[in-house]
Amino acid sequence: TQLLEQSPQFLSIQEGENLTVYCNSSSVFSSLQWYRQEPGEGPVLLVTVVTGGEVKKLKRLTFQFGDARKDSSLHITAAQPGDTGLYLCAGVSLGNQGGKLIFGQGTELSVKP
Amino acid sequence: IAGITQAPTSQILAAGRRMTLRCTQDMRHNAMYWYRQDLGLGLRLIHYSNTAGTTGKGEVPDGYSVSRANTDDFPLTLASAVPSQTSVYFCASKASAGYSYNEQFFGPGTRLTVL
Repeated sequence: TQLLEQSPQFLSIQEGENLTVYCNSSSVFSSLQWYRQEPGEGPVLLVTVVTGGEVKKLKRLTFQFGDARKDSSLHITAAQPGDTGLYLCAGVSLGNQGGKLIFGQGTELSVKP
Repeated sequence: IAGITQAPTSQILAAGRRMTLRCTQDMRHNAMYWYRQDLGLGLRLIHYSNTAGTTGKGEVPDGYSVSRANTDDFPLTLASAVPSQTSVYFCASKASAGYSYNEQFFGPGTRLTVL
């Protein structure tokens, strides 16, 4: 069974701080996605990374795909209360026909004003 | 309404009862998915359908069944509910099953409690 391990599971920080969330696996993924979920709603896609070493930026969020395509990170600069939510990484393993996603356990982020 | 709708929003169900969770999308997506979300376990795939008329088993299919009679609808049935099926259920769709980098669009979820 392929697993995606996310860390930390919970993170509570003050507004203005920086943070990094990690998503690790022993398996190689053809692509990896990051989703954000707010209470009472379904996850919404933030970004997809496909190439090993790829870095994508979305305003204050920076996403990186590991060179070996086994891990990824999400870095938030100067976190704001609006960043509060559940962050999920999800990957499609190599050779997975149909592109079914494997999800990490999620990181619950709370940013206090 | 564009996107994915799920019904009901929430339900309390007695153990042993049959229940169907409904999911409808209006984006003409080929692929559809059912997940359950439990604290500390993330989203786990129950069943999927790559195109109308076909279905497949995901990671946790036991106790659940699905059908895909047309492109838009993908109902999930619990034949005889058990307390371990208490969870939040999400339906999702994707334009094409074959493209791994396509975005999955999620519905708002159904919160199911089995007593």
